[in-house]
Amino acid sequence: SAVISQKPSRDICQRGTSLTIQCQVDSQVTMMFWYRQQPGQSLTLIATANQGSEATYESGFVIDKFPISRPNLTFSTLTVSNMSPEDSSIYLCSSPSSALGQGGQYFGPGTRLTVL
Amino acid sequence: GQNIDQPTEMTATEGAIVQINCTYQTSGFNGLFWYQQHAGEAPTFLSYNVLDGLEEKGRFSSFLSRSKGYSYLLLKELQMKDSASYLCAGAFSGGYNKLIFGAGTRLAVHP
Repeated sequence: SAVISQKPSRDICQRGTSLTIQCQVDSQVTMMFWYRQQPGQSLTLIATANQGSEATYESGFVIDKFPISRPNLTFSTLTVSNMSPEDSSIYLCSSPSSALGQGGQYFGPGTRLTVL
Repeated sequence: GQNIDQPTEMTATEGAIVQINCTYQTSGFNGLFWYQQHAGEAPTFLSYNVLDGLEEKGRFSSFLSRSKGYSYLLLKELQMKDSASYLCAGAFSGGYNKLIFGAGTRLAVHP
């Protein structure tokens, strides 16, 4: 199974600032995914991070608000820009694994963000 | 879009059996996943169904009917540690397999 780590595990930030979340996978993967999980809700896909190309964003999410980097096959970052209290959420990264089935993913531990 | 529907909450008694249902729209469907998520933790993989029928894995089993757009997760011999959210997720085609998650079912197991 893939081991995925995220930094930071949690943070409390002021309105208007930005936070960059790091995701490290212990093996090379073509795609990595970023999700948001708002309090009491399920996971919503923000974007797919492909190495060597622009990230693909889902409806309702834009690059200016959530810029993503994917410098190599084991690492990605998600930045939450110009934060507001509505951005308070858990942000999770994941990587696909065919061992789980077509479309299966392993998840990182998540980053719990609180915006004041 | 692909709607994934599952009950919001369920309660059950320790030692009992509980079935968590999930329905989805069949267009572009490629497979069905169940994840377990304890409060404050990441989702962990439980099961994957791509063909019709029942997949059994210890105390947990998962069933799929592709024609009906229906799945269920069956938990037997419930333990207190099974109290968690159970997420149903469908893999749908579109260049790559994207996972669409249901809202999750919060299961509370009581003594």
